[in-house]
Amino acid sequence: SAVISQKPSRDICQRGTSLTIQCQVDSQVTMMFWYRQQPGQSLTLIATANQGSEATYESGFVIDKFPISRPNLTFSTLTVSNMSPEDSSIYLCSFLPYGGYTFGSGTRLTVV
Amino acid sequence: TQLLEQSPQFLSIQEGENLTVYCNSSSVFSSLQWYRQEPGEGPVLLVTVVTGGEVKKLKRLTFQFGDARKDSSLHITAAQPGDTGLYLCAESSGSARQLTFGSGTQLTVLP
Repeated sequence: SAVISQKPSRDICQRGTSLTIQCQVDSQVTMMFWYRQQPGQSLTLIATANQGSEATYESGFVIDKFPISRPNLTFSTLTVSNMSPEDSSIYLCSFLPYGGYTFGSGTRLTVV
Repeated sequence: TQLLEQSPQFLSIQEGENLTVYCNSSSVFSSLQWYRQEPGEGPVLLVTVVTGGEVKKLKRLTFQFGDARKDSSLHITAAQPGDTGLYLCAESSGSARQLTFGSGTQLTVLP
């Protein structure tokens, strides 16, 4: 089955700075998805990233705050910009290979 | 976007007990997936149910899809500590087939 590698696994960042999260897939996929999961809660979709076009953001998420890159069919990055403590969450990437959705192991972000 | 409600939100039981987790919506599901997530990991797909009235079994886990495809349940028989985790139902919808997740059930099985 396809594998996603996500990094970093965790980070502690100062408010006002930015963090870029990377996801690498071991096969080519058309769509990748980025989710946020606040502590003890469910997952909320941030955006859908299609290679070769701008990402599509869900209500409440904007490109200036969460810019996404999708330079090829195996790689994507999500940047959390100008961070505040409210951005402390787990961020996960996902894609849909044959057989069902696969998720990265997540990036646990703490903003201090 | 469909709203998926799960219950209970938290469940703490002793090893060997049985439990049921519910996922409900006011709208009809096209299909429904169940995931389990352990700390420090992403969700892992357990099952996909598609047909109203469908029942699927995965070892000690039994998944049911309501006849009207507006509800689903997950039943665990003789729970074990290894079943501990966050259980999530989710529907795939939208042009990109993105997942919408339920509110989640945090299960703790005590030895």
